[in-house]
Amino acid sequence: NAGVTQTPKFQVLKTGQSMTLQCAQDMNHEYMSWYRQDPGMGLRLIHYSVGAGITDQGEVPNGYNVSRSTTEDFPLRLLSAAPSQTSVYFCASSTEVGNTEAFFGQGTRLTVV
Amino acid sequence: GDSVTQMEGPVTLSEEAFLTINCTYTATGYPSLFWYVQYPGEGLQLLLKATKADDKGSNKGFEATYRKETTSFHLEKGSVQVSDSAVYFCALRHGNNRLAFGKGNQVVVIP
Repeated sequence: NAGVTQTPKFQVLKTGQSMTLQCAQDMNHEYMSWYRQDPGMGLRLIHYSVGAGITDQGEVPNGYNVSRSTTEDFPLRLLSAAPSQTSVYFCASSTEVGNTEAFFGQGTRLTVV
Repeated sequence: GDSVTQMEGPVTLSEEAFLTINCTYTATGYPSLFWYVQYPGEGLQLLLKATKADDKGSNKGFEATYRKETTSFHLEKGSVQVSDSAVYFCALRHGNNRLAFGKGNQVVVIP
């Protein structure tokens, strides 16, 4: 019962570097999403996908790219890291059937120096 | 747009005290409502949910009732334990399936 798996758990980047945060789920969920969590801000939606080949922007998409080539995987790419992207990132998945709960990964703590 | 508002500030209380965390929402239609809990160093876990008005979600001694007339979904527990120390998030979801979260409340239970 792996659920939603995120890697890495921790990462330190220098300003301007790029990296990819990995997210995989084994529940055959159609809907996947990325959030960032910042103190006092709750969780804010970055990007989401309703199925393979379909992605869309959330509240705070700038500086991030996503793709969804398979149902299982939904990587988040930081093109040129900035200190403002220091945050904890969570991936989540759920069925497309309306009003069901989302399942979350353990999170990736990213620091950009 | 859809939004969730949680009461401001952390909550500190003694073991066996009564816990209430307020949550109100703004949404069109009838969203599903959720409480998630985040223990230190972990991701969010679903605590309970309610999918229609007057439903009561319950789990691990926590309860919340979907109140359409007051657009609220307050979380309560009658007797908290140290192990309940965590961050609690209220959330809603409907329509386009996007989740909207409140800002969360840190709960600290003192022995």
